[in-house]
Order: sequence, then C-alpha cells, then structure tokens
Amino acid sequence: DVKVTQSSRYLVKRTGEKVFLECVQDMDHENMFWYRQDPGLGLRLIYFSYDVKMKEKGDIPEGYSVSREKKERFSLILESASTNQTSMYLCASSLMGLREAKNIQYFGAGTRLSVL
Amino acid sequence: QQPVQSPQAVILREGEDAVINCSSSKALYSVHWYRQKHGEAPVFLMILLKGGEQKGHDKISASFNEKKQQSSLYLTASQLSYSGTYFCGTPRVSGTYKYIFGTGTRLKVLA
Repeated sequence: DVKVTQSSRYLVKRTGEKVFLECVQDMDHENMFWYRQDPGLGLRLIYFSYDVKMKEKGDIPEGYSVSREKKERFSLILESASTNQTSMYLCASSLMGLREAKNIQYFGAGTRLSVL
Repeated sequence: QQPVQSPQAVILREGEDAVINCSSSKALYSVHWYRQKHGEAPVFLMILLKGGEQKGHDKISASFNEKKQQSSLYLTASQLSYSGTYFCGTPRVSGTYKYIFGTGTRLKVLA
C-alpha cells in the first residue's frame, strides 16, 4: 500500500523559531510537493521537487525553503516562523509520468502547525 | 488562478444528492477529484482526461465539460461516509505534473 508519512500531526512553535516539517514516501516517486491548506483557499503549492536536490517554487514560497537530499524524503523549512504561517501543511508525491493518468498525487495526513 | 469550487460548503441528510462544481478561468486539460475526510490524507477519487468524459465510482460520478472549463462531481444517495472536503485539481500546463487545486467544498452528511 502506498504511503506518504509526515513526521508530526500537530506542532506548536513560537514566532521566530526555525521549523522543520518532514515527509517520507515509500513509492519511489520522483515528484514531491508541499502544500498549504487554508479554509476557503484550498490547497496552495509552496514548493515542488522533481528529483534529488532539485526544486521549484510554487505559488507561495515566501518564508519557506525546502530540502531534498534523498529521493524518499522532502523537508519543508520555515526559517523564522510567523503567526501567518499557522496552517495545515500537506505533503504529496507522484510519479513522473508523461501520461496524466500517472500523475495521481498521494498525500500525507498533514501537519497542523500553530505559531504563537 | 486556482479553480473555484461551488458550493463552498453543503450539509445533506443521508440519501440526498449533491453536486459540486469546479470552474476555471483557464483551460482545464484534465481534472482530478480528491476527497479528504476529517483528520485524514486526501484520497484520489477519479480522473477525467477528455472533454465530455463522464466517470462513475459507486454512487459518485463526475463529468468534464472542456469548452465550459468546468467539471462537476455528483454524489447520489449520499452516505455518512461521504462527509469530507472535496477538491478538484488540474495540470497547470498540459502534460505537466504540477497541479493547481480548487478552493475546496466541505460536505457533511447527517443521519
């Protein structure tokens, strides 16, 4: 069974702290994604990676960075957490398929981050 | 510009039907539908690849109108297990694996 695991379900951090959100997938997928989920705004892409050490900015990359040192692991880093980064963060992975039917995204259960 | 879903939220009684719409100001190359139950990971429901395509899965089906740049998800004879947030997704560019997702629709089914 395919699995995307996010290291924490809930996190509480203080303003200014450096925060690491970890994501691991066991499907040997090339693509990995970090999304932010807010009510009324749906899922918004923060960063995307299509290979080890490769990354692309998404729609809302400000205040975030990412790291992908191994194929199965994709980390989201909040360099200096702020209250407006309080949100649900979802990680996903997908195959790098030319056919769109292969591009199904598999999601983790999410990390709810509160920044106080 | 992310696709807009309507309604934003809906409450149903068991056995009632619902329609969730996904409309885009840009071309929809294909449409994915996902459901996220409370506290769980979003799960893929179905993909529609061509305009005019309709698909069904149990009592959940979907259609894709490429010309109107919209897709609709139909839930018939809803069950308690249908509760969750539904969202559509579409490639940003045809053939790409970067998707843009809709604004989401929260659906709650009451006994």
